[in-house]
Amino acid sequence: DTAVSQTPKYLVTQMGNDKSIKCEQNLGHDTMYWYKQDSKKFLKIMFSYNNKELIINETVPNRFSPKSPDKAHLNLHINSLELGDSAVYFCASSGEKYEQYFGPGTRLTVT
Amino acid sequence: KQEVTQIPAALSVPEGENLVLNCSFTDSAIYNLQWFRQDPGKGLTSLLLIQSSQREQTSGRLNASLDKSSGRSTLYIAASQPGDSATYLCACSGNTPLVFGKGTRLSVIA
Repeated sequence: DTAVSQTPKYLVTQMGNDKSIKCEQNLGHDTMYWYKQDSKKFLKIMFSYNNKELIINETVPNRFSPKSPDKAHLNLHINSLELGDSAVYFCASSGEKYEQYFGPGTRLTVT
Repeated sequence: KQEVTQIPAALSVPEGENLVLNCSFTDSAIYNLQWFRQDPGKGLTSLLLIQSSQREQTSGRLNASLDKSSGRSTLYIAASQPGDSATYLCACSGNTPLVFGKGTRLSVIA
């Protein structure tokens, strides 16, 4: 009965490759998010979707493209991976009160 | 632009002590403030959410307060236990996206 799930948990890939991370929530929330946690453990929002529509797009390279096929899913596709993309990526969702629930994270390592 | 600061960055206490973690924010126009716990290599677990109209929330040994006018929140942990060792993050939700502090790394020594 996991609330917010992400796959894969670990992702190791080479520079220049394209990869995707999937996220699903079963909380019935309307809003989903992607966050990046860098090596210094600082968490920063990347994108937010509300009912499948993009509402927040922070300063993120356009190599990162979120896709929301329905309001329970928000996937993150990354093109032409770079060393600096190595981080932990967290998916989250929130309901009416904006309380955020986080997934377990995907540790991306680009070599 | 909202900025969230957490002090101290790290804290080590003996088991059984009561302790306070501090969070300050620059923009008082927030919808809510949320405290999270993050264990090493894990995701974030929501501990407490304080709506902008509330002044505090309690859950078990945890009590979080919110003073919007001064831009401060505190997380009080009573009778600390080694299992409380983790990084504690506060985050503000408002007109800007959720903004996180850098966290306080807590170690409770048995």
